[in-house]
Amino acid sequence: GAGVSQTPSNKVTEKGKYVELRCDPISGHTALYWYRQSLGQGPEFLIYFQGTGAADDSGLPNDRFFAVRPEGSVSTLKIQRTERGDSAVYLCASSLIGQGHSPLHFGNGTRLTVT
Amino acid sequence: DQQVKQNSPSLSVQEGRISILNCDYTNSMFDYFLWYKKYPAEGPTFLISISSIKDKNEDGRFTVFLNKSAKHLSLHIVPSQPGDSAVYFCAADNAGNMLTFGGGTRLMVKP
Repeated sequence: GAGVSQTPSNKVTEKGKYVELRCDPISGHTALYWYRQSLGQGPEFLIYFQGTGAADDSGLPNDRFFAVRPEGSVSTLKIQRTERGDSAVYLCASSLIGQGHSPLHFGNGTRLTVT
Repeated sequence: DQQVKQNSPSLSVQEGRISILNCDYTNSMFDYFLWYKKYPAEGPTFLISISSIKDKNEDGRFTVFLNKSAKHLSLHIVPSQPGDSAVYFCAADNAGNMLTFGGGTRLMVKP
């Protein structure tokens, strides 16, 4: 596909469970970002990868959240011991470069609901 | 502490008229500003951007104005079309794409 792909599109889980959210960026995009959008708010930055390494993880809310990008392409956002407050749409974006101002291309997001 | 604010949660405009969406920011280190458009169940899509060294950028029906002294930017859509109905987010950047987004404005263009 030509765009950023996120799976699953919807995920319902019980409080306390572990979840993984996947992002396939646009081919050739070296920079990858995770954002979280809560109801009625704008997207909030979580973490940014340049290649395989996390260049900035200052937006991760706590140590229950972790993300990897082992081969510099697909990324997985992992949430341990989920809480109801984690319910949100998790957006992934990619861009050609991480420096400068290349527009971010977003996927359609994964809607996470923690019951 | 919201560094980027969109104070109007919604805006309703008649088809063919001008839509003006506003955005204010507090961080003077922001040097690049973007507008994104979002339809339901889709991710935000890039619309238009402006560097802090400019005060206006135009792309077809869309124009973004930047007033650095007031820390204010606006998006003008003219003429507005029903297909423009969406949520619009402004975003600001000071460090290479770690964007800070506003809360969004829902635009409804009535036929």
